[in-house]
Amino acid sequence: GAVVSQHPSWVICKSGTSVKIECRSLDFQATTMFWYRQFPKQSLMLMATSNEGSKATYEQGVEKDKFLINHASLTLSTLTVTSAHPEDSSFYICSAKRRPGTFFGQGTRLTVV
Amino acid sequence: GESVGLHLPTLSVQEGDNSIINCAYSNSASDYFIWYKQESGKGPQFIIDIRSNMDKRQGQRVTVLLNKTVKHLSLQIAATQPGDSAVYFCAENYYGNNRLAFGKGNQVVVIP
Repeated sequence: GAVVSQHPSWVICKSGTSVKIECRSLDFQATTMFWYRQFPKQSLMLMATSNEGSKATYEQGVEKDKFLINHASLTLSTLTVTSAHPEDSSFYICSAKRRPGTFFGQGTRLTVV
Repeated sequence: GESVGLHLPTLSVQEGDNSIINCAYSNSASDYFIWYKQESGKGPQFIIDIRSNMDKRQGQRVTVLLNKTVKHLSLQIAATQPGDSAVYFCAENYYGNNRLAFGKGNQVVVIP
């Protein structure tokens, strides 16, 4: 069964609004989670590392004020896409490490209209 | 924004045959590698991993080979089944601390 759960699996929002995506680790604690973005027919691009109880670490070129990450508990990280625009439309995926490897959520398809 | 018209390298394989998917990784300091399977509209699914102190690891119907000299990784799938149709990505622990960098991906199409 799934070890990492994302919600929602898809969302459509109007341009200028904000959208929150949740990532939960199921039955294990994850002090670190990761957020990725994926465009159609392309690979996953690491956006940021979410750290429980401290600030997220963003990869180069990722706007921290645009993509707000909060990791308030050991089982939940959230990604908020603020003031969304059509170019933010993408597939967002989170992951967490649990032996034997790193496991991913089912992804969230964001469409900004 | 999104790119339109990109095509992933595609491997078409007859059901029951073996599949080999290749990946070139970029960081000679990477110490951990993983293969993932991604079906349309879903997140990546862990298949098998290997550490840099190994050159081969076997799982159920899958084998991963690591050649550190040429920075090459391969995934072999034995007796490919229709359910194996997906995009396969290799990932390396490029940045350390489990921050993974993904390869470009290979589409596998299984012909019944």
